[in-house]
Amino acid sequence: QKEVEQNSGPLSVPEGAIASLNCTYSDRVSQSFFWYRQYSGKSPELIMSIYSNGDKEDGRFTAQLNKASQYVSLLIRDSQPSDSATYLCAVKRSNYQLIWGAGTKLIIKP
Amino acid sequence: GAVVSQHPSRVICKSGTSVKIECRSLDFQATTMFWYRQFPKKSLMLMATSNEGSKATYEQGVEKDKFLINHASLTLSTLTVTSAHPEDSSFYICSARAGGPISYEQYFGPGTRLTVT
Repeated sequence: QKEVEQNSGPLSVPEGAIASLNCTYSDRVSQSFFWYRQYSGKSPELIMSIYSNGDKEDGRFTAQLNKASQYVSLLIRDSQPSDSATYLCAVKRSNYQLIWGAGTKLIIKP
Repeated sequence: GAVVSQHPSRVICKSGTSVKIECRSLDFQATTMFWYRQFPKKSLMLMATSNEGSKATYEQGVEKDKFLINHASLTLSTLTVTSAHPEDSSFYICSARAGGPISYEQYFGPGTRLTVT
Protein backbone atom coordinates (compact mmCIF):
# COMPACT_ATOMS: atom_id res chain seq x y z
CA GLN A 1 0.00 0.00 0.00
CA LYS A 2 1.35 3.41 -0.97
CA GLU A 3 1.62 5.97 1.79
CA VAL A 4 -0.34 8.57 -0.18
CA GLU A 5 -2.73 7.48 -2.88
CA GLN A 6 -4.44 9.46 -5.58
CA ASN A 7 -6.38 8.44 -8.64
CA SER A 8 -4.11 9.27 -11.57
CA GLY A 9 -7.02 10.32 -13.77
CA PRO A 10 -7.43 12.03 -16.04
CA LEU A 11 -10.46 13.56 -14.42
CA SER A 12 -12.49 15.47 -16.96
CA VAL A 13 -14.83 18.20 -15.71
CA PRO A 14 -16.93 20.67 -17.70
CA GLU A 15 -16.08 24.33 -17.34
CA GLY A 16 -18.06 25.93 -14.54
CA ALA A 17 -18.63 22.67 -12.67
CA ILE A 18 -17.09 21.52 -9.38
CA ALA A 19 -13.95 19.42 -9.64
CA SER A 20 -13.42 17.00 -6.75
CA LEU A 21 -9.98 15.55 -6.13
CA ASN A 22 -9.36 12.89 -3.52
CA CYS A 23 -6.39 11.59 -1.62
CA THR A 24 -5.99 8.89 1.02
CA TYR A 25 -3.05 8.33 3.33
CA SER A 26 -1.90 5.38 5.38
CA ASP A 27 -0.19 6.90 8.43
CA ARG A 28 -2.91 7.50 10.98
CA VAL A 29 -0.78 9.94 12.99
CA SER A 30 -0.28 12.36 10.09
CA GLN A 31 -1.23 15.91 11.01
CA SER A 32 -0.39 18.18 8.08
CA PHE A 33 -1.69 17.97 4.53
CA PHE A 34 -1.07 19.95 1.40
CA TRP A 35 -2.41 20.35 -2.12
CA TYR A 36 -0.10 21.49 -4.88
CA ARG A 37 -0.86 22.25 -8.50
CA GLN A 38 1.66 21.42 -11.21
CA TYR A 39 1.31 22.58 -14.78
CA SER A 40 3.07 20.53 -17.43
CA GLY A 41 6.77 21.34 -17.51
CA LYS A 42 6.56 23.56 -14.42
CA SER A 43 7.30 23.10 -10.74
CA PRO A 44 4.60 22.52 -8.11
CA GLU A 45 2.76 25.46 -6.62
CA LEU A 46 1.19 25.36 -3.16
CA ILE A 47 -2.58 25.82 -3.25
CA MET A 48 -3.78 24.85 0.22
CA SER A 49 -2.58 23.48 3.50
CA ILE A 50 -4.91 21.94 6.04
CA TYR A 51 -4.22 20.70 9.54
CA SER A 52 -7.61 20.31 11.24
CA ASN A 53 -10.62 18.15 10.49
CA GLY A 54 -13.28 19.86 8.44
CA ASP A 55 -13.26 22.32 5.58
CA LYS A 56 -10.89 25.13 4.73
CA GLU A 57 -11.88 27.55 2.00
CA ASP A 58 -9.71 29.88 -0.05
CA GLY A 59 -11.42 31.52 -2.99
CA ARG A 60 -12.66 28.84 -5.37
CA PHE A 61 -10.73 26.13 -3.52
CA THR A 62 -11.94 24.13 -0.53
CA ALA A 63 -9.79 21.54 1.19
CA GLN A 64 -11.54 18.91 3.29
CA LEU A 65 -9.85 16.73 5.88
CA ASN A 66 -11.22 13.66 7.61
CA LYS A 67 -8.57 12.15 9.85
CA ALA A 68 -10.82 9.32 11.05
CA SER A 69 -11.21 8.10 7.48
CA GLN A 70 -7.70 9.17 6.49
CA TYR A 71 -8.63 11.15 3.47
CA VAL A 72 -8.18 14.66 2.27
CA SER A 73 -9.92 16.21 -0.71
CA LEU A 74 -9.77 19.36 -2.79
CA LEU A 75 -12.83 20.93 -4.36
CA ILE A 76 -12.51 23.49 -7.12
CA ARG A 77 -15.66 25.49 -7.72
CA ASP A 78 -16.51 27.19 -11.00
CA SER A 79 -13.75 25.25 -12.76
CA GLN A 80 -11.84 27.14 -15.44
CA PRO A 81 -9.72 25.81 -18.30
CA SER A 82 -6.72 27.36 -16.52
CA ASP A 83 -7.32 24.89 -13.66
CA SER A 84 -6.27 22.06 -15.97
CA ALA A 85 -3.14 20.66 -14.35
CA THR A 86 -1.90 17.81 -12.21
CA TYR A 87 -2.87 18.14 -8.57
CA LEU A 88 -0.50 16.65 -6.02
CA CYS A 89 -1.49 15.66 -2.51
CA ALA A 90 1.28 15.68 0.09
CA VAL A 91 1.46 14.60 3.72
CA LYS A 92 4.12 15.78 6.15
CA ARG A 93 6.50 13.36 7.74
CA SER A 94 7.91 13.94 11.20
CA ASN A 95 11.16 15.36 9.80
CA TYR A 96 9.44 18.04 7.68
CA GLN A 97 9.71 15.99 4.51
CA LEU A 98 6.58 15.62 2.43
CA ILE A 99 5.30 12.29 1.18
CA TRP A 100 3.79 12.79 -2.25
CA GLY A 101 0.94 11.18 -4.07
CA ALA A 102 1.42 10.44 -7.75
CA GLY A 103 -0.99 13.23 -8.68
CA THR A 104 -4.34 13.47 -10.42
CA LYS A 105 -4.48 14.98 -13.87
CA LEU A 106 -7.44 17.33 -14.14
CA ILE A 107 -8.84 18.45 -17.47
CA ILE A 108 -11.40 21.23 -17.59
CA LYS A 109 -13.35 21.11 -20.84
CA PRO A 110 -14.65 24.42 -22.22
CA GLY B 1 6.07 36.27 -0.19
CA ALA B 2 7.72 32.85 -0.13
CA VAL B 3 9.56 33.17 -3.42
CA VAL B 4 12.22 30.66 -4.38
CA SER B 5 14.47 31.13 -7.38
CA GLN B 6 16.57 28.60 -9.24
CA HIS B 7 19.40 29.08 -11.66
CA PRO B 8 19.91 28.11 -14.39
CA SER B 9 16.46 27.27 -15.70
CA ARG B 10 17.93 25.12 -18.46
CA VAL B 11 21.36 23.67 -18.97
CA ILE B 12 22.89 21.40 -21.55
CA CYS B 13 26.20 19.80 -20.73
CA LYS B 14 28.45 17.13 -22.13
CA SER B 15 28.77 13.73 -20.58
CA GLY B 16 31.47 13.66 -17.90
CA THR B 17 31.22 17.31 -16.94
CA SER B 18 29.76 18.79 -13.76
CA VAL B 19 26.83 21.13 -13.42
CA LYS B 20 25.92 23.36 -10.47
CA ILE B 21 22.34 24.41 -9.77
CA GLU B 22 21.57 27.21 -7.34
CA CYS B 23 18.44 27.55 -5.25
CA ARG B 24 17.71 30.76 -3.39
CA SER B 25 14.93 31.81 -1.04
CA LEU B 26 14.38 35.46 -1.90
CA ASP B 27 12.15 36.78 0.84
CA PHE B 28 12.52 34.36 3.73
CA GLN B 29 15.16 32.36 5.49
CA ALA B 30 15.04 28.71 4.59
CA THR B 31 15.94 26.49 7.48
CA THR B 32 15.49 23.43 5.33
CA MET B 33 15.82 22.95 1.60
CA PHE B 34 14.85 19.92 -0.40
CA TRP B 35 16.06 18.71 -3.77
CA TYR B 36 13.78 16.74 -6.04
CA ARG B 37 14.12 15.11 -9.42
CA GLN B 38 11.24 14.51 -11.77
CA PHE B 39 11.28 12.48 -14.96
CA PRO B 40 8.66 13.15 -17.65
CA LYS B 41 5.14 12.16 -16.57
CA LYS B 42 6.48 10.77 -13.31
CA SER B 43 6.11 11.72 -9.67
CA LEU B 44 8.41 13.98 -7.75
CA MET B 45 11.28 12.03 -6.27
CA LEU B 46 12.99 13.44 -3.20
CA MET B 47 16.75 13.27 -3.55
CA ALA B 48 17.95 14.89 -0.36
CA THR B 49 17.12 17.16 2.53
CA SER B 50 19.55 19.82 3.68
CA ASN B 51 19.55 21.98 6.74
CA GLU B 52 21.63 25.13 6.87
CA GLY B 53 25.10 24.41 8.13
CA SER B 54 24.66 20.64 8.20
CA LYS B 55 25.41 17.81 5.84
CA ALA B 56 22.58 16.84 3.57
CA THR B 57 20.55 13.71 4.21
CA TYR B 58 20.21 11.67 1.05
CA GLU B 59 17.37 9.35 0.18
CA GLN B 60 18.06 5.71 -0.41
CA GLY B 61 19.53 5.08 -3.83
CA VAL B 62 20.80 8.63 -4.35
CA GLU B 63 24.59 8.78 -4.62
CA LYS B 64 25.89 11.49 -2.34
CA ASP B 65 29.24 11.63 -4.13
CA LYS B 66 27.51 12.24 -7.43
CA PHE B 67 24.94 14.76 -6.25
CA LEU B 68 26.78 17.19 -4.02
CA ILE B 69 24.59 19.43 -1.93
CA ASN B 70 25.73 22.51 -0.06
CA HIS B 71 23.50 24.63 2.15
CA ALA B 72 25.93 27.22 3.39
CA SER B 73 23.47 29.97 4.23
CA LEU B 74 19.82 30.38 5.12
CA THR B 75 19.02 31.61 1.63
CA LEU B 76 21.19 29.50 -0.65
CA SER B 77 21.57 25.82 -1.42
CA THR B 78 23.42 24.33 -4.36
CA LEU B 79 23.23 20.97 -6.07
CA THR B 80 26.20 19.88 -8.15
CA VAL B 81 25.77 16.97 -10.49
CA THR B 82 29.26 15.56 -10.92
CA SER B 83 30.42 13.53 -13.91
CA ALA B 84 27.01 13.85 -15.50
CA HIS B 85 25.70 11.12 -17.78
CA PRO B 86 22.73 11.09 -20.14
CA GLU B 87 20.66 9.18 -17.58
CA ASP B 88 21.02 12.19 -15.25
CA SER B 89 18.97 14.25 -17.69
CA SER B 90 15.91 15.30 -15.75
CA PHE B 91 13.98 18.17 -14.21
CA TYR B 92 15.61 19.16 -10.91
CA ILE B 93 13.52 21.17 -8.51
CA CYS B 94 14.38 22.65 -5.14
CA SER B 95 11.98 23.63 -2.42
CA ALA B 96 12.45 25.57 0.77
CA ARG B 97 10.81 25.54 4.16
CA ALA B 98 10.80 28.64 6.31
CA GLY B 99 12.17 28.27 9.81
CA GLY B 100 10.23 27.42 12.92
CA PRO B 101 8.88 24.18 14.35
CA ILE B 102 5.35 24.74 13.03
CA SER B 103 6.30 25.84 9.54
CA TYR B 104 5.65 22.87 7.29
CA GLU B 105 4.87 24.35 3.90
CA GLN B 106 7.39 23.90 1.12
CA TYR B 107 7.78 26.50 -1.59
CA PHE B 108 9.24 25.41 -4.88
CA GLY B 109 11.70 26.99 -7.21
CA PRO B 110 10.87 27.01 -10.94
CA GLY B 111 13.11 24.04 -11.64
CA THR B 112 16.16 23.36 -13.77
CA ARG B 113 15.94 21.21 -16.84
CA LEU B 114 19.22 19.36 -17.29
CA THR B 115 20.12 17.69 -20.55
CA VAL B 116 23.32 15.67 -20.72
CA THR B 117 24.55 14.91 -24.22
